[in-house]
Amino acid sequence: GDSVTQMEGPVTLSEEAFLTINCTYTATGYPSLFWYVQYPGEGLQLLLKATKADDKGSNKGFEATYRKETTSFHLEKGSVQVSDSAVYFCALREGNMLTFGGGTRLMVKP
Amino acid sequence: DAGVTQSPTHLIKTRGQQVTLRCSPKSGHDTVSWYQQALGQGPQFIFQYYEEEERQRGNFPDRFSGHQFPNYSSELNVNALLLGDSALYLCASSLGPSVHTGELFFGEGSRLTVL
Repeated sequence: GDSVTQMEGPVTLSEEAFLTINCTYTATGYPSLFWYVQYPGEGLQLLLKATKADDKGSNKGFEATYRKETTSFHLEKGSVQVSDSAVYFCALREGNMLTFGGGTRLMVKP
Repeated sequence: DAGVTQSPTHLIKTRGQQVTLRCSPKSGHDTVSWYQQALGQGPQFIFQYYEEEERQRGNFPDRFSGHQFPNYSSELNVNALLLGDSALYLCASSLGPSVHTGELFFGEGSRLTVL
């Protein structure tokens, strides 16, 4: 079946550091890919998405590019802020369901 | 515009009991999906309801059942609770069941603890 693998956390960075969270997937078809974020005490929120190969999703300074050749969708941000501290989930969608990775906790220190 | 609302937010049950969780979708949405999120893990798809029918189901036993009402709200029922059912149960709503590019809107979840 489909699966998503994320780098394990926690990832601890200083403010203004560069962020990369790795995500690779296994799927039989050509799924849509997503990054969701879960802030403390809140529900999951869509951060960005890409629906086909080479698409780049972006939002709030975060970016991820759909790489079919490497089956990857790594999340990047050039300069993180304390307010970016949260748990980030990579996910793929085929049909009616999302398959999530295990999540990566990001902690940004001032 | 109300988002996805879930109730209760927290509850504690004992093994063997039954629980019902409730979800009201975002205004304008007609499809509800349920996910289970164990501590420290990603959410896992339980099932989806559209037009009051279960449309797709994940790898969960029949102890997990659901219902969708004419107003699109939904319930998740879990029978014969096990310790392993302790988790955050997330409800997500969308417009239509098969939207590859559409966004799912998640509620804050119902945290179930089974003792």
